[in-house]
Amino acid sequence: EADIYQTPRYLVIGTGKKITLECSQTMGHDKMYWYQQDPGMELHLIHYSYGVNSTEKGDLSSESTVSRIRTEHFPLTLESARPSHTSQYLCASSGRVQSNEKLFFGSGTQLSVL
Amino acid sequence: DAKTTQPPSMDCAEGRAANLPCNHSTISGNEYVYWYRQIHSQGPQYIIHGLKNNETNEMASLIITEDRKSSTLILPHATLRDTAVYYCIVRVALIIQGAQKLVFGQGTRLTINP
Repeated sequence: EADIYQTPRYLVIGTGKKITLECSQTMGHDKMYWYQQDPGMELHLIHYSYGVNSTEKGDLSSESTVSRIRTEHFPLTLESARPSHTSQYLCASSGRVQSNEKLFFGSGTQLSVL
Repeated sequence: DAKTTQPPSMDCAEGRAANLPCNHSTISGNEYVYWYRQIHSQGPQYIIHGLKNNETNEMASLIITEDRKSSTLILPHATLRDTAVYYCIVRVALIIQGAQKLVFGQGTRLTINP
């Protein structure tokens, strides 16, 4: 149902590599989010954006960075991946549906850093 | 945002109604009750929301007590595909300035048994 896409679905990479996780949505939503989730654990908000050229840190500190140059695109970058970055990264966007704001999630990127 | 309390896990037989409780005793007058679920490691999926009246959609029903301090999500005829973690979240409906920073908590791990 949701038109929000994340690539890659799975990524295995060596320590020290630079990686970018892609997230795109076609719903025209202004607000976008990145959550991080370890297996069996809670989701933690690491970044969000109100709109183009706005980015904010979330509730959980992260070494990753984000950018929002276009409304539909909200990529997350790790300059130098480490094993501690191994986790699932979930992208979401929110929009108004019948006077309520709903979150729509992508399928996630499972990152493994060796 | 008001805090919610949910049981960590529940079991339900296939074909029976699954009733998931949520306590939100500090909810304020302009806060809605939202339910999301997360199947395996996919992104969470919106289920239903309500303010004070009971709500029903194609996925579930939401029963909110008259004092609004607790609610119950009902899956009327649970199937194996309903096995997931269910999150009860209390939040204002619209964020005029800012982002819908939902805090997902631990949720209830619902297992549907054949």
